[in-house]
Amino acid sequence: DTGVSQNPRHKITKRGQNVTFRCDPISEHNRLYWYRQTLGQGPEFLTYFQNEAQLEKSRLLSDRFSAERPKGSFSTLEIQRTEQGDSAMYLCASSFSSFTRNLQYFGAGTRLSVL
Amino acid sequence: AQRVTQPEKLLSVFKGAPVELKCNYSYSGSPELFWYVQYSRQRLQLLLRHISRESIKGFTADLNKGETSFHLKKPFAQEEDSAMYYCALLPGAGSYQLTFGKGTKLSVIP
Repeated sequence: DTGVSQNPRHKITKRGQNVTFRCDPISEHNRLYWYRQTLGQGPEFLTYFQNEAQLEKSRLLSDRFSAERPKGSFSTLEIQRTEQGDSAMYLCASSFSSFTRNLQYFGAGTRLSVL
Repeated sequence: AQRVTQPEKLLSVFKGAPVELKCNYSYSGSPELFWYVQYSRQRLQLLLRHISRESIKGFTADLNKGETSFHLKKPFAQEEDSAMYYCALLPGAGSYQLTFGKGTKLSVIP
């Protein structure tokens, strides 16, 4: 499968624990995005990278959320001191950055359950 | 700020009947509009974008700037069309943040 890959698919954690999710984008894509989707809602933008640079992070939900893309390839999203309200599906997407080839392709997501 | 509204949470139609999934948007500039579809247990995938003006799986969507709408239509629904459909907006060609509606679940009754 050469699409966007996300691991793990499911994560169950206790409140207060830290969690980290990984996203491997489509290999030729230089943009990578993180979204969050809660029940009954569409995906909500969190942050994005162009290569290794995080160009937008003001939409991250709190300072407990952080993302990295150290070598411009895979990315990680970390949530520290998880809360029950963090329970959601976390989606990753990737794309080219050109005006004509900016279609975002999504991964299958990581479902987080905070007990 | 941009907003996308999909007024119907659930739409049920009989097989062979026409389908129209509504999408209205709020944005002052010239956005790009998309329809994404999510079949059961599958990832979100792009169905249509307005600048392509294509018909995919029999679906079409026309951007109406006067009514700020981008409704998805298909003349004859098939059972395999049952899925969750999301309308999404990019503020401009060079932008990055997709804004999604809440989605409409389409159920095609055999």
